[in-house]
Amino acid sequence: GENVEQHPSTLSVQEGDSAVIKCTYSDSASNYFPWYKQELGKGPQLIIDIRSNVGEKKDQRIAVTLNKTAKHFSLHITETQPEDSAVYFCAPRGAPAGGTSYGKLTFGQGTILTVHP
Amino acid sequence: GAVVSQHPSWVICKSGTSVKIECRSLDFQATTMFWYRQFPKQSLMLMATSNEGSKATYEQGVEKDKFLINHASLTLSTLTVTSAHPEDSSFYICSAKDRQNNEQFFGPGTRLTVL
Repeated sequence: GENVEQHPSTLSVQEGDSAVIKCTYSDSASNYFPWYKQELGKGPQLIIDIRSNVGEKKDQRIAVTLNKTAKHFSLHITETQPEDSAVYFCAPRGAPAGGTSYGKLTFGQGTILTVHP
Repeated sequence: GAVVSQHPSWVICKSGTSVKIECRSLDFQATTMFWYRQFPKQSLMLMATSNEGSKATYEQGVEKDKFLINHASLTLSTLTVTSAHPEDSSFYICSAKDRQNNEQFFGPGTRLTVL
């Protein structure tokens, strides 16, 4: 199965600074690379994703970069705000297995981001 | 945007009882739904994948007789925790895959506490 490692496990920044979280995966057949934000007591919310034919994608203050050769992708948040404080998960989707037509998301361990005002 | 709901949002039950959690896709059809479990301060772990009209596929280590999954329609999947014990206390999250675009959307989660 897919092995996913996410770093750092905690990240503390001042408001306005940038934050970067890295996710390393093992399945070279993975083809979909999302990042989720989870607030306390809630389900994960997709904030940005990238597919294997694109190297970088940006949406306002959030960007994701992908390096398929090295098998890692990163979340970049610029001009951080206190409301960005949450747990962030990467969840690469591996190749379909077991006769299915759809691969499974494997979640990283999560990064607790704290943005201090 | 696509919405997935879960009911109940939280439940407290006594040890030995069974609890049913519903997952609904509100504005799209989902041929595939996923059930995850998340213990405090940990990541989401996939428990099983349910396909409409067929048996669920369980991940290694997940007891299919304890966690019963039914996906009887394109908008509803249910997870029943049978004979619940305190160690089953967790945050259960479902996700539904839109059959039209293959996008996967997550529900808000259900907090289960077994006394």
